[in-house]
Amino acid sequence: AQSVSQHNHHVILSEAASLELGCNYSYGGTVNLFWYVQYPGQHLQLLLKYFSGDPLVKGIKGFEAEFIKSKFSFNLRKPSVQWSDTAEYFCAVNSNSGYALNFGKGTSLLVTP
Amino acid sequence: DTGVSQNPRHKITKRGQNVTFRCDPISEHNRLYWYRQTLGQGPEFLTYFQNEAQLEKSRLLSDRFSAERPKGSFSTLEIQRTEQGDSAMYLCASSPRPKGGRSSYNEQFFGPGTRLTVL
Repeated sequence: AQSVSQHNHHVILSEAASLELGCNYSYGGTVNLFWYVQYPGQHLQLLLKYFSGDPLVKGIKGFEAEFIKSKFSFNLRKPSVQWSDTAEYFCAVNSNSGYALNFGKGTSLLVTP
Repeated sequence: DTGVSQNPRHKITKRGQNVTFRCDPISEHNRLYWYRQTLGQGPEFLTYFQNEAQLEKSRLLSDRFSAERPKGSFSTLEIQRTEQGDSAMYLCASSPRPKGGRSSYNEQFFGPGTRLTVL
């Protein structure tokens, strides 16, 4: 069955610490990969996306993610987090033959001053 | 505001009642999606429209759920005979017509959601 796994459900970091959130998927064939963020009280917003080409993609607010096809992974990274990065982060995948996004369960990130 | 809008933002109802939610997508987007999100979970796909045609439905969409997009613009999601298990955030998203490349290219833009509480 197609699935998306996010390894860390809750992460607490101090400001300026580095961040890496794991995402693995189990899909056959070509996939499109996304990271969405939901800040407290706000709606889901796209952080970055990968369709093809350079497997290292850069998104908004200093985030980046690397697609490693052999590991079925699309981990999210940021070198130095800020308090304003406190949010829920969702990895999502859709196959090239479908339109629905399949989301992971999300990772809740708390950045402390 | 030119984003996806949803109404109402909150709905409290008693078990057994019918409820209807509305979604207005971004105006030039021809694709519209409904998702459901419960506490501690990511959004789960319910259904997808391309213009007015409902092209995909999840098995989550039981017979009590019906969605329409009559003129290919706004959409409604109706839940009949609500149950406590229907309590969730109902999210709507839209995406534009692909400009080239993969037909499934679909960067989806989400609305704020309608939070349903069934008592």
